[in-house]
Amino acid sequence: GAGVSQSPSNKVTEKGKDVELRCDPISGHTALYWYRQRLGQGLEFLIYFQGNSAPDKSGLPSDRFSAERTGESVSTLTIQRTQQEDSAVYLCASSLATEAGNTIYFGEGSWLTVV
Amino acid sequence: AQKVTQAQTEISVVEKEDVTLDCVYETRDTTYYLFWYKQPPSGELVFLIRRNSFDEQNEISGRYSWNFQKSTSSFNFTITASQVVDSAVYFCALCGGTSYGKLTFGQGTILTVHP
Repeated sequence: GAGVSQSPSNKVTEKGKDVELRCDPISGHTALYWYRQRLGQGLEFLIYFQGNSAPDKSGLPSDRFSAERTGESVSTLTIQRTQQEDSAVYLCASSLATEAGNTIYFGEGSWLTVV
Repeated sequence: AQKVTQAQTEISVVEKEDVTLDCVYETRDTTYYLFWYKQPPSGELVFLIRRNSFDEQNEISGRYSWNFQKSTSSFNFTITASQVVDSAVYFCALCGGTSYGKLTFGQGTILTVHP
């Protein structure tokens, strides 16, 4: 598609279960980012991938959170043993590179609710 | 550490009024980038503008204009002759020149334009 695609759009899960969120970046974009947006809040940076470089994981809130990216395509954000405070919208974004000047495009997000 | 403050949590105006959304930032980076994004009810973040720290020229795009003042660390956004379709949450964001894409977001301003 033309934009950043995320799935699922909505996910309700029970506390303690693991969830996987998927992101398909815009074709050709080497940089991919994950952000979290809690209700009524701004976005929090979680992690970014740039080509074959080691990802910047400095924003991951705990070791329950991990993310992988296959080459320069799909990325998966995994949350293990979900907690209620993990309820949020998880937004993925991509850009041509992390060099300055490239527009960062966001997807519509995956709404996660932990009950 | 970087910080972005959007002091206005919510703004309500009547159509055709002008409205200014404030953004104040803090950073130790000498090179940095400022952004504005719009988040309509659909949830997707729509890129509006990017400005680098060396370019203090104001910019106008249709009904939108931006006032970047390095001296006061502000990057304010004005919508002229507002329309109902402008109703959304608006986010100001910042990233350092060496960590492009790792955005620090403000809390957002909810703009409601009434007919």
